[in-house]
Amino acid sequence: AQKVTQAQTEISVVEKEDVTLDCVYETRDTTYYLFWYKQPPSGELVFLIRRNSFDEQNEISGRYSWNFQKSTSSFNFTITASQVVDSAVYFCALSEARGYGGATNKLIFGTGTLLAVQP
Amino acid sequence: SAVISQKPSRDICQRGTSLTIQCQVDSQVTMMFWYRQQPGQSLTLIATANQGSEATYESGFVIDKFPISRPNLTFSTLTVSNMSPEDSSIYLCSVGPAGETQYFGPGTRLLVL
Repeated sequence: AQKVTQAQTEISVVEKEDVTLDCVYETRDTTYYLFWYKQPPSGELVFLIRRNSFDEQNEISGRYSWNFQKSTSSFNFTITASQVVDSAVYFCALSEARGYGGATNKLIFGTGTLLAVQP
Repeated sequence: SAVISQKPSRDICQRGTSLTIQCQVDSQVTMMFWYRQQPGQSLTLIATANQGSEATYESGFVIDKFPISRPNLTFSTLTVSNMSPEDSSIYLCSVGPAGETQYFGPGTRLLVL
């Protein structure tokens, strides 16, 4: 069965600090997709990144970077020089694959990490 | 990415009543999904709604409690029936083809008294 674990329930940092949010996943499928979403206090879910299981290349987007390591089943998210506007709950998610190796869009979410960035 | 709207954005309801939540997308999509996020919790998929067929419910969710309609490729409704305080949650709809990114609506915050 698929599972996503975000062990960090809450993280508090001071502005300009770097912070890494951990995500560990479990799946038996060879084809799967990993996602990160941000949920600010307003409640909407904002898509940040999607990564497929065949692409282990790390990605950087501005202050955000992602480290995907299949060997450890991890997909960690780092915010460099954090800002108060980064304060939110961050969810890591895994898309379930069909039995024949394709992908459905059923998302399995981790429990989320609440990031508080203090000024 | 698709633009998704939900109505109502929030509501306060009495136990035993029902509430219908609407989800509108600005483009035609095959798959629509309904999620529930209980207070302080993660998101849980309620059901997948495909146009022209019955919704597919996840374990723990039943049609009598959460009937879903999908009359066309841009619209869906979720009804929360016979509500109790335990139904107080954020309900979110999302869209996205298989294997692609799933985008979410702004959510409907429901409080049941």
